[in-house]
Amino acid sequence: TQLLEQSPQFLSIQEGENLTVYCNSSSVFSSLQWYRQEPGEGPVLLVTVVTGGEVKKLKRLTFQFGDARKDSSLHITAAQPGDTGLYLCAGEEAGSYQLTFGKGTKLSVIP
Amino acid sequence: DAGVTQSPTHLIKTRGQQVTLRCSPISGHKSVSWYQQVLGQGPQFIFQYYEKEERGRGNFPDRFSARQFPNYSSELNVNALLLGDSALYLCASSKGQGADEKLFFGSGTQLSVL
Repeated sequence: TQLLEQSPQFLSIQEGENLTVYCNSSSVFSSLQWYRQEPGEGPVLLVTVVTGGEVKKLKRLTFQFGDARKDSSLHITAAQPGDTGLYLCAGEEAGSYQLTFGKGTKLSVIP
Repeated sequence: DAGVTQSPTHLIKTRGQQVTLRCSPISGHKSVSWYQQVLGQGPQFIFQYYEKEERGRGNFPDRFSARQFPNYSSELNVNALLLGDSALYLCASSKGQGADEKLFFGSGTQLSVL
C-alpha cells in the first residue's frame, strides 16, 4: 500500500502571507491530485499533475510535481481567508483506479 | 446540472445494525467510487464500480459491500456495524474509469455508530 505523507498537518497564518504544503511518498505515482475540502462537504479537485517536474498555476496557487513523481508541493501566494480549508493530496498508482489520499493539511487564514 | 447526490446526509445507528447508503452520480457519469473518511484523516478507498461491475476494492472487511444499478446509481452496504465504522462516507463519480478521469465528490453521508 502506497502512503502519502503531508506536512504540515496544521497551519495557521495571517492574511497576505505565503505558505507551502508538502506531499511526499517513497513510491512513484502515475498522477497526483490536489483537493480542497471544507467542513461538511466533499473534496473538490484543484489540479492534477502527471509529468515529473510539471508546474501548474491556478491563480495564487502553484502546484509542482517532483521529477521522480514521488512528491508534490502546493504554494499559496498572499493567502486570503477564503483559502481556509483542508488541503488533500491524492496519488494514483499505475494501472489502478483508486486514489490514495494523504491525511491533509488544515489551513486557517486569519483576517 | 445536479452534482453527485448522496442520501441520507446524516445517520445514527447502533452497534450490530446494518446500514445502506445511496449515491446518484452526475448525469452521464458511468463510474462510482466510495471512500471512507474518518475524522482527522484523508479519505480511504472502499470500492469502485464501472458499468455495473466492481473494478476495485480497498482494504475493507467483507462487512462492506456495494453495487451499481443500470442507471449508474450505487448503494454501499455495511453489516454488523462497529464503533469504528463511524465516519463520513463519500461517493465520487466520473465519466470513465481511466487514470486521467476527473472525480466529482458528493457531500457525503455522516454515519455515527453508538
